[in-house]
Order: sequence, then C-alpha cells, then structure tokens
Amino acid sequence: GNSVTQMEGPVTLSEEAFLTINCTYTATGYPSLFWYVQYPGEGLQLLLKATKADDKGSNKGFEATYRKETTSFHLEKGSVQVSDSAVYFCALSGGGADGLTFGKGTHLIIQP
Amino acid sequence: NAGVTQTPKFQVLKTGQSMTLQCAQDMNHEYMSWYRQDPGMGLRLIHYSVGAGITDQGEVPNGYNVSRSTTEDFPLRLLSAAPSQTSVYFCASSYSGQAHEQYFGPGTRLTVT
Repeated sequence: GNSVTQMEGPVTLSEEAFLTINCTYTATGYPSLFWYVQYPGEGLQLLLKATKADDKGSNKGFEATYRKETTSFHLEKGSVQVSDSAVYFCALSGGGADGLTFGKGTHLIIQP
Repeated sequence: NAGVTQTPKFQVLKTGQSMTLQCAQDMNHEYMSWYRQDPGMGLRLIHYSVGAGITDQGEVPNGYNVSRSTTEDFPLRLLSAAPSQTSVYFCASSYSGQAHEQYFGPGTRLTVT
C-alpha cells in the first residue's frame, strides 16, 4: 500500500533560517504529492502540490520538487518567519477515490 | 462561500452515547471524506463518498457510519462512543471523484469519557 514518511520534529529554527522538511513516499504508479499546513486550532490548508515527476510546487516562499528517482518531496523555504510556525503534513494521492495518505506531520517552531 | 463547515467544534460524550458530527460544503464538490487526527498518527481516513448515495470505507471505519443523501452534506455517526474514539475529526471535500487537493473543515474535537 501507499505510505508517507516525514521527520516528526519538533523542528525549532530561528527567524530567517533555511528550512528543509524531508518527505519520502512509497506508492504504486504515479501519485500526486502535496504539502498541507495546519495552524494552531485550525483545519488543514493546501500549501503546494505536484502532480508528475520533476514538477516543482511553490507557494508563499515554500517549494518542493517531485523526485521520482528518490521517491521524495522535500519542503524548503529560504528564510522562515515566526508566522510559519505550524504543523506541516506531506501527503500523496494514488489517483483513486480512497483518500489521501498522510505522513505523521512535522511541528515547526520559529523563534524570533 | 463558506467552504467546508463542521459542527460542533467541541463535544464531550460518555461511553456508550451516540452522536452525529455534521459536515457541509457549498462548493458543489462531488467527493467528501472524514478523517481522524491523533497525536503521532497523522490523519487517517474513516469513510468517503464519491457522490450522493455512494459511500465507502476508509482505513479506520469501525464504530462509524456515514450517509450521503445530498451533495452538500456528509454526516458522521458514532453509534456507541468509546474512549478510543477520542480524537479530532476533519471533514474534507474535493472537486472530482478523486481524492486529490482536498479542502478541509475546521475540525471537531471529541472527547469520550
């Protein structure tokens, strides 16, 4: 079956630091890949996505590249802000109707 | 356009009680789903629906029932609550019959004592 593995954290960084959150996946076929963000007390919001190999998703300064050869979709941001503090989920869709498969989430804490 | 709405926001139940978590969307999405979120477990799919009148089980369906009589609504029923069902529940929807790029509601935090 499908699975997603991501670093769980918490990850604590200083403001303006470079961020990488690793995500690797196992899936049959050609999944679509997503990063969702959950701010405290809220639901999940789609941050970015990529639907085929070598696609780069980007939004709000975050980006991630779909690497089929390494089955990875690492999230990066060049300079984080305190407002980026949240839980980040990597997820995949196998293309069917049976839902998204999520990683366990990475709690990111940005200190001023 | 309210997106995906869920009620209630918080609920406390005693073991054995029943209740229904409500979910509605106003985006005319065909696909709707329920997830539960537990610490260290990520989100796990409970049930999903690809359209009105059609539902199917996800990864963790035991103890939960769903129905989809309209495109807009997708309630989740707990028939006899157990402490293991203490969790945060999220409803989600998406445009197509497939699961990708889902829009999530704000969640219902349920405690079963």
